[in-house]
Amino acid sequence: QSVLTQPPSVSGAPGQRVTISCTGSSSNIGAGYDVHWYQQLPGTAPQLLIYSNTNRPSGVPDRFSGSKSGTSASLAITGLQAEDEADYYCQSFDSSQTGVFGGGTKLTVL
Amino acid sequence: QVQLVQSGAEVKMPGSSVKVSCKASGDSFNSYGFSWVRQAPGQGLEWMGGIIPLYGTANYAQRLQGRVTITADKSTSTTYMDLSSLRSEDTAVYYCARHKYPPGFYYAMDVWGQGTTVTVSS
Repeated sequence: QSVLTQPPSVSGAPGQRVTISCTGSSSNIGAGYDVHWYQQLPGTAPQLLIYSNTNRPSGVPDRFSGSKSGTSASLAITGLQAEDEADYYCQSFDSSQTGVFGGGTKLTVL
Repeated sequence: QVQLVQSGAEVKMPGSSVKVSCKASGDSFNSYGFSWVRQAPGQGLEWMGGIIPLYGTANYAQRLQGRVTITADKSTSTTYMDLSSLRSEDTAVYYCARHKYPPGFYYAMDVWGQGTTVTVSS
């Protein structure tokens, strides 16, 4: 049981927009800690996709965007492409001084 | 550009211990936070704990407290993760990762090691 809650799967057709939610609590996201997002392609290490709620590392397309409000955060992907098919994880920090992850969301491009 | 290079795959007996290393190159080591994250087969990511070499003390996930020890050797820019009393459920890929800004664990993990597969089996 992960501390942060994500939908197990989402899907969309090429060119469409999808969103992935990440719900926490008052001891992590709601306490003001930033939310970060990672993309994991099969058989590879996770890669940072969005940091500090809304920021993209260099090299990440602007089709990816993040937002945060209250105890939740969201990742949006517009102009869906086949190469976006991957697992996506949200991550934050908890007032118990530990890192916390969501359970991951598998994105399928139809 | 910093890189993290981890030690090789391990096969361990139940009840034994494993120690995985993660060597950093290319940038300052001491003031950044380094975390260990594991992923069981077909499962999600789990934060195990982390260390800031400058301070030397580590934080651990509650469910692993008492079984995991994370250390750092500043002279070789290497962090280590030691997991004891291994059971089959510890079979996973273990990753080290560096946090984007010094000196906290609340920042994103922007550099990851290649992963080390640990298999626990009799």
